[in-house]
Amino acid sequence: DAGVTQSPTHLIKTRGQQVTLRCSPKSGHDTVSWYQQALGQGPQFIFQYYEEEERQRGNFPDRFSGHQFPNYSSELNVNALLLGDSALYLCASSFIGFGGSGEQYFGPGTRLTVT
Amino acid sequence: QQPVQSPQAVILREGEDAVINCSSSKALYSVHWYRQKHGEAPVFLMILLKGGEQKGHEKISASFNEKKQQSSLYLTASQLSYSGTYFCGTEIDNDMRFGAGTRLTVKP
Repeated sequence: DAGVTQSPTHLIKTRGQQVTLRCSPKSGHDTVSWYQQALGQGPQFIFQYYEEEERQRGNFPDRFSGHQFPNYSSELNVNALLLGDSALYLCASSFIGFGGSGEQYFGPGTRLTVT
Repeated sequence: QQPVQSPQAVILREGEDAVINCSSSKALYSVHWYRQKHGEAPVFLMILLKGGEQKGHEKISASFNEKKQQSSLYLTASQLSYSGTYFCGTEIDNDMRFGAGTRLTVKP
């Protein structure tokens, strides 16, 4: 059973560019959450997708957008990149069940460097 | 708001016990605990869904005091493999917030 997968593993972009990160959830999971983790800090919640809709959003600007596809995979898009966007981006999948975020299984992350 | 974890770091010898605390300024729906090793993704340890609940897996257990809006993670007879950064995640209205983490180092 494949766990959560993310692509690419590393990415280097220039300020002002746009980036798309991808995530495939663990088999049987229907919910995908995205997090930004700066070095030495805890993951910061960006947003969560369920049934192809954004279910909840953290304190991130509109430059951060996402999408969930019918097969539950998800994309995170970041426009007009800033140096401060450099971080590890983690995707976590879960099964909503009767409510809440449930047990979240994290992917290996995408390390984004903005120069 | 992010939950507050304490201590920020702890160093143990193999076989010693540790407690990591997590507190929130708001009422919680659930508390999640994760461990992250350097260069790896966080790994799920356990989730507590209601006040008074306690869970455990081998020598790692946790409690959730809903009234105090607190949770504690207990590591008993620590092993070298317990080293890593422990995060608590608190869920409020489907919004997950993680603490800054507690760095645990277990030495032989």
